[in-house]
Amino acid sequence: QTVVTQEPSFSVSPGGTVTLTCGLSSGSVSTRNLPSWYQQTPGQAPRTLIYNTNTRSPEVPDRFSGSILGNKAALIITGAQADDESDYYCVVFMGGGISVFGGGTKLTVL
Amino acid sequence: EVQLVESGGGLVQPGGSLRLSCAASGFTFRSSWMSWVRQAPGKGLEWVANVKEDGSENYYVESVKGRFTISRDNAKSSLNLQMNSLRVEDTAVYFCARPFYGSGPPLNWGQGTLVIVSS
Repeated sequence: QTVVTQEPSFSVSPGGTVTLTCGLSSGSVSTRNLPSWYQQTPGQAPRTLIYNTNTRSPEVPDRFSGSILGNKAALIITGAQADDESDYYCVVFMGGGISVFGGGTKLTVL
Repeated sequence: EVQLVESGGGLVQPGGSLRLSCAASGFTFRSSWMSWVRQAPGKGLEWVANVKEDGSENYYVESVKGRFTISRDNAKSSLNLQMNSLRVEDTAVYFCARPFYGSGPPLNWGQGTLVIVSS
């Protein structure tokens, strides 16, 4: 069974840069997995930040970007702000109509 | 503007059934795969099911196979999830979602509907 791995937690200073990653328990994440990233605050629906590896959703600030780094997908946040403090989830498409979410990263800005 | 509005959540006993619906607007519903994603209290997101544009193909996470059925009514721009033999571990907020491409990951999300399975 495929497991999608994310850092459970991460901390960044205001104005700093942070890279969150999304990997597979077996194998590499590539663009063919259509990796996508979501931001979620408690009690709210997820908000799509990045889809298809590096396409930014409308109205998402350009300090959020996505890429493939090595064998993982990555979400890079530059110039972190206090309201970036949220849970971040990635998802990878495994083919056969099936997608798998990572366990999420809790980002603290302090 | 894409809008997805879920309904049908509630409290149900273990072994019971519930039918969720999602009313879609702001895009050509009949031309889009659709998905359900859920989130148990305090837990992460879990993809549940996908259905093809014409309803001819569907896919499920292993844990709901044989119990849940995803379907759609293109004439009403409506997505459904029939949930049978519900278990305590099915307790979650269920989100309706529209993939950005084919049967891929979600782009648009509804606000979710809460399903509680408890005796």
